[in-house]
Amino acid sequence: GQNIDQPTEMTATEGAIVQINCTYQTSGFNGLFWYQQHAGEAPTFLSYNVLDGLEEKGRFSSFLSRSKGYSYLLLKELQMKDSASYLCAVRVGYALNFGKGTSLLVTP
Amino acid sequence: DTAVSQTPKYLVTQMGNDKSIKCEQNLGHDTMYWYKQDSKKFLKIMFSYNNKELIINETVPNRFSPKSPDKAHLNLHINSLELGDSAVYFCASSLSQTLGPQHFGDGTRLSIL
Repeated sequence: GQNIDQPTEMTATEGAIVQINCTYQTSGFNGLFWYQQHAGEAPTFLSYNVLDGLEEKGRFSSFLSRSKGYSYLLLKELQMKDSASYLCAVRVGYALNFGKGTSLLVTP
Repeated sequence: DTAVSQTPKYLVTQMGNDKSIKCEQNLGHDTMYWYKQDSKKFLKIMFSYNNKELIINETVPNRFSPKSPDKAHLNLHINSLELGDSAVYFCASSLSQTLGPQHFGDGTRLSIL
């Protein structure tokens, strides 16, 4: 089976930086994705890593270490609207396997 | 608007009924998917079609039958609905089966009475 772990909940302060970790043990690997999902809405794509290293996209960055089965999503200059669930997903073959998501609460 | 659109947005029905959910994408993608998100928000793949051909069929009861009339459409028909089918069903599409992120529709909230 596929095992993808991320913390259930995190809280951070507006303007701060937060790092959401994801570890995975899967039977294959064709890339790691991060999605953001606000309550009652569709998941929206944030970032994608297939090689080791850091990918930066504005306030969001994602890091991957394939040898360690580890990724993180870094959110800088947090805003209230960043309160959402963040989903780590590993592509194995043709399928995306999702973790259970990290619910991030940004407080004033 | 370019998007993945699915209908209906809400579906409330009784146990034992048969219902369908439709999905269309105008992104020109080759691959489409159905996911189920349960009450604990866990998102799980159900089916995937690439250019109208079934490529992923996870352990899903055979009461669920996907149909892809063309590569822009992937519909989901559910027979004999059960209480445990209550969930949000998301349609998604990607450029190909190995390329590009998946883009999700807004979801269909299915409630079984």
